[in-house]
Amino acid sequence: GENVEQHPSTLSVQEGDSAVIKCTYSDSASNYFPWYKQELGKRPQLIIDIRSNVGEKKDQRIAVTLNKTAKHFSLHITETQPEDSAVYFCAAAGSSNTGKLIFGQGTTLQVKP
Amino acid sequence: DGGITQSPKYLFRKEGQNVTLSCEQNLNHDAMYWYRQDPGQGLRLIYYSQIVNDFQKGDIAEGYSVSREKKESFPLTVTSAQKNPTAFYLCASSMARDNQPQHFGDGTRLSIL
Repeated sequence: GENVEQHPSTLSVQEGDSAVIKCTYSDSASNYFPWYKQELGKRPQLIIDIRSNVGEKKDQRIAVTLNKTAKHFSLHITETQPEDSAVYFCAAAGSSNTGKLIFGQGTTLQVKP
Repeated sequence: DGGITQSPKYLFRKEGQNVTLSCEQNLNHDAMYWYRQDPGQGLRLIYYSQIVNDFQKGDIAEGYSVSREKKESFPLTVTSAQKNPTAFYLCASSMARDNQPQHFGDGTRLSIL
């Protein structure tokens, strides 16, 4: 079945450093890839997304890259700040175009001041 | 997002009891989704609905039921057949076309008494 693998499961960086989280997906027909940030006990919030007709997208300190050939996409956070500490989830839209998202297992990012 | 309201925030279930989690949205979204989140894990899809009076099973539908009588509402019932119901339940909604972003409610934390 459709699957999304996310790595690493935990990531600790020093404030000001960059953080990179990687995801691979199994369904080559997937065409939409959102990233969510979830703080403890709160709702996941969309931080950035990318569609299959684009290779890279940037929004201030956050960027996402997509390699459709290799079926992987990555989240890049530059100049990390303590408030970036949270769990980050990647997801991929299934090929059925139902709006269903397949989520990765999550990455707990800790930014040390 | 203020447009999706889940209630209650905390819920306790007794042995053999059915409980219903509420999800209401005023975003005029066609599609709605229910996810289950266990500690340290990603989001798993329970049920989803793309249109009123229609819904489909997700990956872990056993022991759950839903209804979609109104566009704004998508309640989830956790039945007594669900033997391990303790989890964080998240409702989401989206436009039902071209894989639009999903927006989440604040969640309901369900525990067994």
